Amino acid sequence: NAGVTQTPKFRILKIGQSMTLQCAQDMNHNYMYWYRQDPGMGLKLIYYSVGAGITDKGEVPNGYNVSRSTTEDFPLRLELAAPSQTSVYFCASSYSGMDSPLHFGNGTRLTVT
Amino acid sequence: DQQVKQNSPSLSVQEGRISILNCDYTNSMFDYFLWYKKYPAEGPTFLISISSIKDKNEDGRFTVFLNKSAKHLSLHIVPSQPGDSAVYFCAPSSTQGGSEKLVFGKGTKLTVNP
Repeated sequence: NAGVTQTPKFRILKIGQSMTLQCAQDMNHNYMYWYRQDPGMGLKLIYYSVGAGITDKGEVPNGYNVSRSTTEDFPLRLELAAPSQTSVYFCASSYSGMDSPLHFGNGTRLTVT
Repeated sequence: DQQVKQNSPSLSVQEGRISILNCDYTNSMFDYFLWYKKYPAEGPTFLISISSIKDKNEDGRFTVFLNKSAKHLSLHIVPSQPGDSAVYFCAPSSTQGGSEKLVFGKGTKLTVNP
């Protein structure tokens, strides 16, 4: 039981490049989330999903896109990378939404130069 | 507009003593409060939670207290151990209304000295 797996662990992008951050969970959780954490700050919600085929915006969605074609996977897409997207990205899942704890992956550290 | 404030960025305590981490919130719709612990280069892990219908929840060395009238919660760790050194995030949520927006504080870095 691996929990929540994120790939890659690290990535450096040039301004304007695109990439997809991968997230997979093996706990059969319906709820999945993407957060970013900037230095000295709390985690901010980018997008979330309450089940396959259903996604919604969080607090800071601009510059990102998501899809949820299966229960297990919730990739995050950056289309035109900007320096402001330099951050650590965490994917999380939960059994029943806001009344249950989140299980986090170990994060992807992204630098845009 | 910070809905969640952890006013102490860092805290240093001696091994064996009590650690008290504080969190203040402004949104009266919050009804479920979680604490997460985060080690460097890892994702946050769930530590303990409390529902708004309680004022205290205990799990081993960890106790969370909730004062709804003051919109304040605190995490007590007794006795503190060096392995408790980590960043602790307070994360309230509202379980009503279908919102999936957990709000995280900025965190308090706890250092437990041997």
